Amino acid sequence: GQSLEQPSEVTAVEGAIVQINCTYQTSGFYGLSWYQQHDGGAPTFLSYNALDGLEETGRFSSFLSRSDSYGYLLLQELQMKDSASYFCAVYSGSARQLTFGSGTQLTVLP
Amino acid sequence: SAVISQKPSRDICQRGTSLTIQCQVDSQVTMMFWYRQQPGQSLTLIATANQGSEATYESGFVIDKFPISRPNLTFSTLTVSNMSPEDSSIYLCSVEGSLGTGEETQYFGPGTRLLVL
Repeated sequence: GQSLEQPSEVTAVEGAIVQINCTYQTSGFYGLSWYQQHDGGAPTFLSYNALDGLEETGRFSSFLSRSDSYGYLLLQELQMKDSASYFCAVYSGSARQLTFGSGTQLTVLP
Repeated sequence: SAVISQKPSRDICQRGTSLTIQCQVDSQVTMMFWYRQQPGQSLTLIATANQGSEATYESGFVIDKFPISRPNLTFSTLTVSNMSPEDSSIYLCSVEGSLGTGEETQYFGPGTRLLVL
């Protein structure tokens, strides 16, 4: 089966940089996605990494190391609106199924 | 990315009853997915729905409890049958969409928030 580990909570202040790590164990790995979910909202797609390296989209960047089964989401210039849950999710298996981590609750303080 | 809508957005139901949730996409998609997110938890895949065939259910989910229809390439329904308070969750549908790089990812509908009393 698949398993993913990410920290349950992270706290940072406005303007800071925060990194949310994700390690995974899976077979038939295709790629790693990150989703943001605000309270009461639906998961919103942030990024996808299929190859090793860093992908940058504005203030958010995502990194993948396939050999280490590890990735991270980097959020820069934190804003209060970034307070949300962040989920890593892996695509794997013959059905290319998406399996989610348990989520990291990010709290941004003023 | 595709625009996905779900109905109802929320509902409060009595135990023992059933609720059918609709998912509508603004473009034709091969596969649609149904997830459950219990309070404070992560997302768990219930089943994958392909048009013209029976849905494929994940371990722990059965067709009698969560029957799914997929009558065409833009629409699917999930029914939560004989509900109990443990079924109180957010139910989300998703579809795969192109990233424009040759890769695809899943995009989610707004969800249906279900409370069973």
